[in-house]
Amino acid sequence: DADVTQTPRNRITKTGKRIMLECSQTKGHDRMYWYRQDPGLGLRLIYYSFDVKDINKGEISDGYSVSRQAQAKFSLSLESAIPNQTALYFCATSGGFTDTQYFGPGTRLTVL
Amino acid sequence: DQQVKQNSPSLSVQEGRISILNCDYTNSMFDYFLWYKKYPAEGPTFLISISSIKDKNEDGRFTVFLNKSAKHLSLHIVPSQPGDSAVYFCAAGSPPGNTPLVFGKGTRLSVIA
Repeated sequence: DADVTQTPRNRITKTGKRIMLECSQTKGHDRMYWYRQDPGLGLRLIYYSFDVKDINKGEISDGYSVSRQAQAKFSLSLESAIPNQTALYFCATSGGFTDTQYFGPGTRLTVL
Repeated sequence: DQQVKQNSPSLSVQEGRISILNCDYTNSMFDYFLWYKKYPAEGPTFLISISSIKDKNEDGRFTVFLNKSAKHLSLHIVPSQPGDSAVYFCAAGSPPGNTPLVFGKGTRLSVIA
């Protein structure tokens, strides 16, 4: 079984809808992250959490919110989706001395 | 302002030859560096890392070189194989727990058979 899972893997929605993307991990890591990938722009950090009670904004948090329900679960919400939020979204976790991040398989989100 | 830069968006190399991917950084507080590989429709996967106390780390066909004075690192793949065709991200980190990794925008490597 995968260490970091994301649901759904694909989602098509309409402008103005609320969307939640979920991430679960079995690696026992305290730190979790949400990124989006757009062509030519690399991985951009949306939000991150260093433990259950810690939530921090990343580079591009506007229009997004997160919830850290447990050590193993970190969800990303788009309160009112807009077309320029169409992208690939990745969850990641990290822990240990080197803080190496391990990524989930991604969610492809399309906002029409 | 980009703290981690990968100035080549793409690179094409013939199978069997060496692939060299480059990365520059600006923040002297970074003390470890990582390379990730990403195939289409998959999440990035960790490839190799190096601590700032070293100047070279090798893992099979993959070697990362770090030049601290130039704030430059490179990933060498020898010999290159068609399965190495992917997007490669360079990332840099400060002492663990302070801030998240900072990623470059990636370099797309195409290995031609």
